Amino acid sequence: AQTVTQSQPEMSVQEAETVTLSCTYDTSESDYYLFWYKQPPSRQMILVIRQEAYKQQNATENRFSVNFQKAAKSFSLKISDSQLGDAAMYFCAYKWGGADGLTFGKGTHLIIQP
Amino acid sequence: NAGVTQTPKFQVLKTGQSMTLQCAQDMNHNSMYWYRQDPGMGLRLIYYSASEGTTDKGEVPNGYNVSRLNKREFSLRLESAAPSQTSVYFCASRRDRGNNNEQFFGPGTRLTVL
Repeated sequence: AQTVTQSQPEMSVQEAETVTLSCTYDTSESDYYLFWYKQPPSRQMILVIRQEAYKQQNATENRFSVNFQKAAKSFSLKISDSQLGDAAMYFCAYKWGGADGLTFGKGTHLIIQP
Repeated sequence: NAGVTQTPKFQVLKTGQSMTLQCAQDMNHNSMYWYRQDPGMGLRLIYYSASEGTTDKGEVPNGYNVSRLNKREFSLRLESAAPSQTSVYFCASRRDRGNNNEQFFGPGTRLTVL
């Protein structure tokens, strides 16, 4: 079974600094997709960024970027110029090509210090 | 365009009571999902419906039933609620089973079973 591991239950960063959230996954599939979701206190799940495993180029969305290391099965999220609005739970998620639902990690609680 | 809506937002049940969680989407999506989120855990898939008229079990289906009433609506029923079903329930939808399609989430229902 595929598993997603987020080893940092909580991270703290100063406003305007850069922070990296870690995610590793276990799969024997070659066709899969990886996602980072943000869950603020409102509980709404918001897609931050996604990466197709067949793409070598790391995905980037404004201040958010990933470091995708396929051989190491690692998918970290880098947030640059952290803002107070970035404070939330962040979930790493995996989907293989033949599946319908997502497999989520347990999440990392990100605190932004003003 | 409301996206994915869920009712109710909060519910308290006594052990053994039954209830139905409602979910509707107005994006003309084919696929719909039910997840549960427990403290310290990521979301786990309960059931999904790849298209109108079909439903399939996810990772944690025991104690639940679902109905894909039409293309818009996908309900989750607890026939005899148990304290272990205390959780936050999320409904999600996706355009179709294509791998690059984003899942859109509803705001969640917080259910407490006493």
